[in-house]
Amino acid sequence: RKEVEQDPGPFNVPEGATVAFNCTYSNSASQSFFWYRQDCRKEPKLLMSVYSSGNEDGRFTAQLNRASQYISLLIRDSKLSDSATYLCVVSGSYQKVTFGIGTKLQVIP
Amino acid sequence: ETGVTQSPTHLIKTRGQQVTLRCSSQSGHNTVSWYQQALGQGPQFIFQYYREEENGRGNFPPRFSGLQFPNYSSELNVNALELDDSALYLCASSWDRGTPEQYFGPGTRLTVT
Repeated sequence: RKEVEQDPGPFNVPEGATVAFNCTYSNSASQSFFWYRQDCRKEPKLLMSVYSSGNEDGRFTAQLNRASQYISLLIRDSKLSDSATYLCVVSGSYQKVTFGIGTKLQVIP
Repeated sequence: ETGVTQSPTHLIKTRGQQVTLRCSSQSGHNTVSWYQQALGQGPQFIFQYYREEENGRGNFPPRFSGLQFPNYSSELNVNALELDDSALYLCASSWDRGTPEQYFGPGTRLTVT
C-alpha cells in the first residue's frame, strides 16, 4: 500500500461547480498535512495546511479525519484558474515528507 | 514568488556523466530539501539539509549526494547518470527543520540521453 494515495483523475468540472478530493495515508503517526497546488510544468505551491478542526480559506476547505486516515479538499464555485494538479502531502518526522501522485482538476467553461 | 531560486533551469546530459544542481533558499530559511519529480508522479524526497548537515534521506542511492553552504544555499550532485534520472529536480526551503511548510523553487529539468 502506498504511503499517500490520491485518485489521479482527471476531474473535469464545469465552472461554478463544487468539487472534492480525498487523500488517504497509511502511517497513523503522521503529524502534519497539507495541500499543494501544481500548475503544468511549474513547481508545487503551498495551498493550505490541514488541521483536525478543519480550515477554510475563501472557496477552499480542508478537513482531516485521523480515525479514517484521510484528508480532503473541497473547492466551491470552481474557477477556470483552479485548473491544476492538487498534491496531498503528509509529514511525519520533520525530514519525512511524502507527496501523493496528485489529482488533476480541469475546470471547463 | 517564493524567493527560492534554482539553476540551471534545463540541462541535458548523457548516461554516465555527473551533474550538479544548485539552489538558493528563501531569506531566513535554514533548511533545504531536494525532490525528484518524474513525469506524471508526485515529488519524491531525496534528502534534507539543515545547517550544513544531512538531516534525513529518502530511498535514493549514494550516487545522489548533496551539500549545504553557510549561507544555506545547497547543491545536489548526481554521479553516473542513468536514463531514469531524467526528471524535474525541485528544491524546497523551510524556516527550520521543525516546520514542515516548504516553499519550492522553479526546479531544474534534467534530461539524460
